[in-house]
Amino acid sequence: SQQGEEDPQALSIQEGENATMNCSYKTSINNLQWYRQNSGRGLVHLILIRSNEREKHSGRLRVTLDTSKKSSSLLITASRAADTASYFCATGTFSNSGYALNFGKGTSLLVTP
Amino acid sequence: DGGITQSPKYLFRKEGQNVTLSCEQNLNHDAMYWYRQDPGQGLRLIYYSQIVNDFQKGDIAEGYSVSREKKESFPLTVTSAQKNPTAFYLCASRRVLAGFNEQFFGPGTRLTVL
Repeated sequence: SQQGEEDPQALSIQEGENATMNCSYKTSINNLQWYRQNSGRGLVHLILIRSNEREKHSGRLRVTLDTSKKSSSLLITASRAADTASYFCATGTFSNSGYALNFGKGTSLLVTP
Repeated sequence: DGGITQSPKYLFRKEGQNVTLSCEQNLNHDAMYWYRQDPGQGLRLIYYSQIVNDFQKGDIAEGYSVSREKKESFPLTVTSAQKNPTAFYLCASRRVLAGFNEQFFGPGTRLTVL
């Protein structure tokens, strides 16, 4: 089942502005990951935050995790036209069957010059 | 080049036919996954395999079958029992070691049933 729900579904900003996307989930997780997908392509891993972490940075990306609210946010600072893509959060959980990710429906980001 | 390859990129199938999608990786990853993506939707897990000769059903396994005879290969067969197979199919792999949880994705295969 799709556990993560991203918000907003679509976001349009101008170059240089910051973009914030949110993700909510329902059950306990081991980690939460953010992926990027350019149209018609595979997904690319951006960043992973573990359940015992609250904030993580990678270049222009900043991810927060609030396990009490079961939510995460992805901030892209100083956006560029090349950041135009869909962004997905995925919650990672371990079970007796192994490790699997549950993906949300994604946020479609458009960055205009 | 290291990575995951999927073939073909585009695939057309007539109703009632089985079709097999290829997924190969040379990353020496133990785990491999198959996802289905419909327009405007996230990814839904079809099957996954943690080791050779073992695989588990995901959320939407009905109408699909897989095999894992080699570490580097995880083909997906879309059978005629899958009622709505037109979709974008993505294969992924993961290194199974503590701390390595990110998945690496192939470029995808777009399947269209005519």
